[in-house]
Amino acid sequence: ETGVTQTPRHLVMGMTNKKSLKCEQHLGHNAMYWYKQSAKKPLELMFVYNFKEQTENNSVPSRFSPECPNSSHLFLHLHTLQPEDSALYLCASSQEDRDTDTQYFGPGTRLTVL
Amino acid sequence: AQSVTQPDIHITVSEGASLELRCNYSYGATPYLFWYVQSPGQGLQLLLKYFSGDTLVQGIKGFEAEFKRSQSSFNLRKPSVHWSDAAEYFCAVGRSNFGNEKLTFGTGTRLTIIP
Repeated sequence: ETGVTQTPRHLVMGMTNKKSLKCEQHLGHNAMYWYKQSAKKPLELMFVYNFKEQTENNSVPSRFSPECPNSSHLFLHLHTLQPEDSALYLCASSQEDRDTDTQYFGPGTRLTVL
Repeated sequence: AQSVTQPDIHITVSEGASLELRCNYSYGATPYLFWYVQSPGQGLQLLLKYFSGDTLVQGIKGFEAEFKRSQSSFNLRKPSVHWSDAAEYFCAVGRSNFGNEKLTFGTGTRLTIIP
C-alpha cells in the first residue's frame, strides 16, 4: 500500500533537537490522523484533521505540534522531546464525507529520543 | 466509551494449521469493526471490515471474520496459515457516525508461525 507515505522512516534525536515528521496521502482523502504506537500499549490517537482543520487533540503535550497545510500533507513538529516519547508514529487518512470511513495507514516513523 | 479486548497477547500455530484470533468489543450502538495486520517495522494494513449486512466478512490474504452481536465478538479466522502470516494483528471498533470517525484499537495479538 503506497497510498500513505511517511518520512523519515527512522529518526534519532536528542532531547534538545527540533525535528519534523512528514506524512503525505495520495488517496484523495480529506481527513488525516497522527497515532503513537508504544510497546505493549494500544495505538494512541494524537491528532485528527478534517479539511485541514484540527478537530481532535487527545491531551497531547505541547512538545508535539501538528501542522496540516492542505488535505494531502500532515506534519508533526517535535521539540524538546523526552525519552518516553520514543515510539512508532503512524499517520493515517480517510474520507470523511461517508459514514463508512476506513483509515489507511502509512509505514510509520520509528523515533528514538536519546 | 467504546473499547476493544484482544485476550490473546501471543499465539503460536504450525504452518498449515487453522487460526482464530479473538476480539471482543464494547459499544453502545451498531459498531464498525476492523482487523488490521502489522508486519515488523511496518504500518497497519487493513485486512477486512464490517459495517452492516452479511455477518461473515471476507478479507485479503484468505482471512475472514464473523460478527456475532450476541457475543460482542468479531473473531478473525484463516483455514490454513502460511509463514508469511506471522505478524501482529489488531482489532478496532469505530463509531458509525457521519463524519469524524475515531477508531479504538485493541492491544494486538502477535502471531508466530512454526514450521
